[in-house]
Amino acid sequence: GQQLNQSPQSMFIQEGEDVSMNCTSSSIFNTWLWYKQDPGEGPVLLIALYKAGELTSNGRLTAQFGITRKDSFLNISASIPSDVGIYFCAGHNAGNMLTFGGGTRLMVKP
Amino acid sequence: EAGVAQSPRYKIIEKRQSVAFWCNPISGHATLYWYQQILGQGPKLLIQFQNNGVVDDSQLPKDRFSAERLKGVDSTLKIQPAKLEDSAVYLCASSPPPPGQHYGYTFGSGTRLTVV
Repeated sequence: GQQLNQSPQSMFIQEGEDVSMNCTSSSIFNTWLWYKQDPGEGPVLLIALYKAGELTSNGRLTAQFGITRKDSFLNISASIPSDVGIYFCAGHNAGNMLTFGGGTRLMVKP
Repeated sequence: EAGVAQSPRYKIIEKRQSVAFWCNPISGHATLYWYQQILGQGPKLLIQFQNNGVVDDSQLPKDRFSAERLKGVDSTLKIQPAKLEDSAVYLCASSPPPPGQHYGYTFGSGTRLTVV
């Protein structure tokens, strides 16, 4: 089946730092999505990307849909404490089913 | 608008027991999904309903898992009998018909199942 490899698996951030994470796939997707999941809650959609090469921003978040349609990245600029959580990429093709990556856990540097 | 409602929030059962989860989607959302999220992993689709019909259940372990969506609204997911490896969070999500399916793809808070 389709698999999404997300990296890094976890990272520590200090307030004000920029953060980058990416997702690669062995298959092509028509749509890439980025979600954030807080403890005890379901994933919440952050950004959706619909075209290869598309670069989209949502506040301090920027995401890009790779040209090959097999990868995507998410950047968070000037991180703040509430950015802590787990970020998931997800790919979508026909049928409205989402395939999720393994997640990137963002934690605050002690 | 009200979100996707799930109950219970937590459930602890012994292996070989049965358990059922309930989901009430957002009003007007025709499509309903059940995902399984094992600790440290991303959600994995178990079953997708369009109204009260099954669209995709290829990843549902049908020897022990079953799901139904009577009348095309609420849905229940059942596990009988449960195994230790079924310990996970079970997420329900719903979405409206295209073209708004992505922005309308809303998850509930999930049911955390622990099998001991």
